[in-house]
Parts: sequence; C-alpha cells; structure tokens
Amino acid sequence: SQKIEQNSEALNIQEGKTATLTCNYTNYSPAYLQWYRQDPGRGPVFLLLIRENEKEKRKERLKVTFDTTLKQSLFHITASQPADSATYLCALLIYNQGGKLIFGQGTELSVKP
Amino acid sequence: DAMVIQNPRYQVTQFGKPVTLSCSQTLNHNVMYWYQQKSSQAPKLLFHYYDKDFNNEADTPDNFQSRRPNTSFCFLDIRSPGLGDAAMYLCATSRAARMNAEAFFGQGTRLTVV
Repeated sequence: SQKIEQNSEALNIQEGKTATLTCNYTNYSPAYLQWYRQDPGRGPVFLLLIRENEKEKRKERLKVTFDTTLKQSLFHITASQPADSATYLCALLIYNQGGKLIFGQGTELSVKP
Repeated sequence: DAMVIQNPRYQVTQFGKPVTLSCSQTLNHNVMYWYQQKSSQAPKLLFHYYDKDFNNEADTPDNFQSRRPNTSFCFLDIRSPGLGDAAMYLCATSRAARMNAEAFFGQGTRLTVV
C-alpha cells in the first residue's frame, strides 16, 4: 500500500532563515504531491502541488522540489516569519483510485523572532 | 464565504450513543472525504466518495458509516462511539477530475466521548 512519511520532529528556526521540510513516499507512481498548512484546531489549507515530472514549483516565499529517484519532496519557506509557525502536511493524491488523498503526519514549524 | 461547512463545530456524545456529523459544500465538487485526526497525528482517511461511488479504507472500523444523499451533503455516522473515537473529524472536497485538484477542508468537528 502507499505510504507517505514526514519528519515528525518539530523544526525550530530563527526569523529570516529558510525552513526546509521533508516528505517521503513509497509505492506509487505517477505521484502528485500536495503541501498543506494546518493551524491548531483548524482544517488544513492547500499551499502547493507538484507533479512527479516537475522538478520545482514556486509560490511567493514557498518552493517545492521533487526528487523522483529518492521519492522525496522538499518544502522550503524562505525569509521565514513568526506567522509561518504552523504544522505543514504533505499529501499524496492517488488519481486512479477515485481521487484518494492520503496525508503524512506533518511537521510542526516554529519561527522565533 | 465558507465553502465547506461542518456542523457542529463541537460535539459531545455519550459512550455507545449513535452520533452523526454533517458536512455541506457550495463548490459542486464531485469528491468528498472524511478524515479522523487525533492530536499530533496525520489526518487518517476513513472513506471518500467520487460522485456516488463510495470508497472505504480497509482499516476503517465498521462502527463508522457514511451517507452522501446528494452532491452537496455528506454525513459521518458513528454507530457506537467509544472513548478511542474522540478526535477531530475533517470533511474535505475536491474536483478530482483534474490532475491538479486541491482539497478544500471544513473547520472540523471536535468529538468528545464521555
């Protein structure tokens, strides 16, 4: 079965630095990886999607990369701000199973002023 | 304007007493999902609908059932809630006919079992 894993350890960084989060998946190709932000007590909010045949995708201070050899996606937040503090989830869209969407456990990011 | 609405936001139910959580959407999306999320854990997919086609996850307990009477509404029924079913329940929708379909989530229902 498909599996998707994130580093469960919380990430603490200083304001202005770049945060890098990792997502690994197994047993599925082609893959469409999505990244979401979740604040405490709220539903996840979609940020970015990257297809397996794309190496990189950007949106403002966000960047997602995809390494098909490692089956890994990296999510970067540049010039991080305290307002970026949240849990970031990666998700795998399995298109040929009726749009099934499965999530990793998320990485909690804390940006200190 | 809210596009995926879950009711209620907070639900307290007694051990073993059936409870229903509801979800409605104004996006006319053909896919609807139900997730269970416990503290510091991944949202766990319980089941999803692609139009009227129901897809149950293999490890979803029989205690959990779902109904989708029309495109806009979807219900999660917990027939006999146990203490272990206390969690946040998230409903989401997507237009999965597109490869780049993103999911839109409701605010969730926090279920407490006493």
